[in-house]
Amino acid sequence: EPEVTQTPSHQVTQMGQEVILRCVPISNHLYFYWYRQILGQKVEFLVSFYNNEISEKSEIFDDQFSVERPDGSNFTLKIRSTKLEDSAMYFCASNRVGADTQYFGPGTRLTVL
Amino acid sequence: DQQVKQNSPSLSVQEGRISILNCDYTNSMFDYFLWYKKYPAEGPTFLISISSIKDKNEDGRFTVFLNKSAKHLSLHIVPSQPGDSAVYFCAASLNSGGSNYKLTFGKGTLLTVNP
Repeated sequence: EPEVTQTPSHQVTQMGQEVILRCVPISNHLYFYWYRQILGQKVEFLVSFYNNEISEKSEIFDDQFSVERPDGSNFTLKIRSTKLEDSAMYFCASNRVGADTQYFGPGTRLTVL
Repeated sequence: DQQVKQNSPSLSVQEGRISILNCDYTNSMFDYFLWYKKYPAEGPTFLISISSIKDKNEDGRFTVFLNKSAKHLSLHIVPSQPGDSAVYFCAASLNSGGSNYKLTFGKGTLLTVNP
């Protein structure tokens, strides 16, 4: 069964450093998302992406964040200058056209020191 | 932002009995609801969903009920099995255009099924 994959599973970085989190959505899906979950809190929407552009973003998704689909399979989330409060699990999700169900990847645990 | 609420942080049931997980929402514009199950160190796994035009959807041991007037939905698992032990998230979406559905999640309920 196809699934969303994410790399790395755990990323440790120093405050102020740039990180890139990678996702490979399910191959016939065209809508992509990033969510995050800070420890002990809700899963929160960050951004949605379709047709090579951002469809919607939350107030969390400020100028420090960017997303890109650099090729036909990868979908990336970049944080330019990480802060301590960016430490969280980051989940990628995708869905196909005409479908309401989003499928999630296993997540990347980002730890900012 | 408390648009989707799961007021019970945890629930414990005996194997073979029914588990009922509850979820309330405040935004009447939500038109699609989903339940996800999550194990530690894994991503949310889709379980079952329901459109706002229905009041019940069933898939094997899992049934979701929607009461729009009360803005309430529930997930019933029967019979419960120890492997069902996980955190269950309720999520809601609002059709923001095309197939682009931003999900709003509840805080989750930790279900423990005791053998």
